[in-house]
Amino acid sequence: DQQVKQNSPSLSVQEGRISILNCDYTNSMFDYFLWYKKYPAEGPTFLISISSIKDKNEDGRFTVFLNKSAKHLSLHIVPSQPGDSAVYFCAASVSNAGGTSYGKLTFGQGTILTVHP
Amino acid sequence: DSGVTQTPKHLITATGQRVTLRCSPRSGDLSVYWYQQSLDQGLQFLIHYYNGEERAKGNILERFSAQQFPDLHSELNLSSLELGDSALYFCASSPRLAANYGYTFGSGTRLTVV
Repeated sequence: DQQVKQNSPSLSVQEGRISILNCDYTNSMFDYFLWYKKYPAEGPTFLISISSIKDKNEDGRFTVFLNKSAKHLSLHIVPSQPGDSAVYFCAASVSNAGGTSYGKLTFGQGTILTVHP
Repeated sequence: DSGVTQTPKHLITATGQRVTLRCSPRSGDLSVYWYQQSLDQGLQFLIHYYNGEERAKGNILERFSAQQFPDLHSELNLSSLELGDSALYFCASSPRLAANYGYTFGSGTRLTVV
């Protein structure tokens, strides 16, 4: 049961343009969403998060948008740089579940972003 | 360097064997999480410890067990290994109980079962 889905395995963009990475979820209990970036031979690195009470959160070149009615979130990177080339994972958590879900992040499959110079 | 240390970085072992993966969290972090990433898979949550206590369990096989010690380091024990257990195993740590603010991952242990 894939509760968090990243339907695009890969994305290729030109340096300086916008990168848009998409993520869909099915569990309406999710109330926090996070994006992680992963380089080869390294662990995932936290990028940006958003609470379900917001629809947008911005941090420098990175903006995350949340559309709760569509159960969809996206990460925008503007402008894209070659150093942004990595695998991007979206993840979701349930903050008030207690019990067995509290500390768990549910990850998507990842999208490989390649930014060409 | 994320501050989360995982050892060993690579491990090759035969089917049926038992291995122990070790994780030292960032200084001051009380939560330790274990995740498995198999080929072409996202990260699958295994287990969460907070200050020595098991707090959440995911899709962790009965052949796998974990613990968090008083010094807060954690070990993941994998026994009766099968070819399908070959994967990257990540440990992560956080100062908090909840996952809302994310956590910091180590660079992983690549386990190959032959």
